[in-house]
Amino acid sequence: GAVVSQHPSRVICKSGTSVKIECRSLDFQATTMFWYRQFPKQSLMLMATSNEGSKATYEQGVEKDKFLINHASLTLSTLTVTSAHPEDSSFYICSGQYRSGTARETQYFGPGTRLLVL
Amino acid sequence: DQQVKQNSPSLSVQEGRISILNCDYTNSMFDYFLWYKKYPAEGPTFLISISSIKDKNEDGRFTVFLNKSAKHLSLHIVPSQPGDSAVYFCAARFGNQFYFGTGTSLTVIP
Repeated sequence: GAVVSQHPSRVICKSGTSVKIECRSLDFQATTMFWYRQFPKQSLMLMATSNEGSKATYEQGVEKDKFLINHASLTLSTLTVTSAHPEDSSFYICSGQYRSGTARETQYFGPGTRLLVL
Repeated sequence: DQQVKQNSPSLSVQEGRISILNCDYTNSMFDYFLWYKKYPAEGPTFLISISSIKDKNEDGRFTVFLNKSAKHLSLHIVPSQPGDSAVYFCAARFGNQFYFGTGTSLTVIP
């Protein structure tokens, strides 16, 4: 089965620093990757959608300059939280979408990254 | 390998009938299970959860059943409504990490 990994799984940083989170599809090519943030009551908010080689599409209310997304290859997408502040502390989850021919698009989720900004 | 599996990619149910969505997992260390509902172009919305120490949790029309010996989780929706048509993901938690299934697309036919 397809696997998506995230690194690091947990990160603690000081306010004002930047943090990079990697999302990798280990055994499939993700034509599209999604980044989510988990909020209280455990719902996941879609932050942005990225297609390999093109700029990410951000959801309304998500600051592009703060949450930098790079989807350089079909197996790697990165989310950089720039100048992180305590309110950015959250759980960030990525997912990779795979489509094979006429098969339905399948989304595979990463295990998440817990960010704590002090 | 996928530790959480939803083997049925799609399900169609008549309005008013019961929808049963299934989920299997492999890791007996999972301590918490969740169901999410997802509409197109939106993030998954939390629906209902269950702790590994319980075998049933009910919330309105939604009931989640956990069979630990079979490592099986199911979500029952009754009665099903057209607005329930969405993709449903099950997820399991181990420590600080979540493991998601690949989703089941539910269509409730009016």
